[in-house]
Amino acid sequence: GAGVSQSPRYKVAKRGQDVALRCDPISGHVSLFWYQQALGQGPEFLTYFQNEAQLDKSGLPSDRFFAERPEGSVSTLKIQRTQQEDSAVYLCASKYRDLSYEQYFGPGTRLTVT
Amino acid sequence: KQEVTQIPAALSVPEGENLVLNCSFTDSAIYNLQWFRQDPGKGLTSLLLIQSSQREQTSGRLNASLDKSSGRSTLYIAASQPGDSATYLCAVDTGNQFYFGTGTSLTVIP
Repeated sequence: GAGVSQSPRYKVAKRGQDVALRCDPISGHVSLFWYQQALGQGPEFLTYFQNEAQLDKSGLPSDRFFAERPEGSVSTLKIQRTQQEDSAVYLCASKYRDLSYEQYFGPGTRLTVT
Repeated sequence: KQEVTQIPAALSVPEGENLVLNCSFTDSAIYNLQWFRQDPGKGLTSLLLIQSSQREQTSGRLNASLDKSSGRSTLYIAASQPGDSATYLCAVDTGNQFYFGTGTSLTVIP
């Protein structure tokens, strides 16, 4: 497909479970971003990759959150020992290059922790 | 840290009305500003991208302006339609991170 895709679209996890969210960026896009969007709020930055290098992870809320992009394409956001406050929509975006290029967003994964 | 504010938080207008959505940001060191539309339960759709060196961008009934020095952007929607009902988000790009506002929820009444 031509756009950013994410899977699964919906995930329900019991508190304490680990989850893995996948992002397929637009082919050839160097930069990849993860955001967390709580209900009624704007997206909040989590982490940023340039190719396979994670250049900024300052937005990850705790050490239970881990992201990787081992081959510079697909990325996975992993949340260990999920808590109720992790319930949110997780958005992935990609950009052709850094700086002034446009970000393209995927449809998001809605995570509900029960 | 960059702070992005959008006013109003919610807006309800009759069909056909022209309207303006406001976005302000605290740090003028940005590469670009992007306006997005978000429908309930959906991802973000890019509407307009304004580079930091530009003053405005137009696409159809949409016009976005940017005054970087004063930290302001506006999104003008002409002749609003019920299909325009959505949440509109502005985001400023600092190069390796986007800072979003909390959005304006727009309802266009037929």
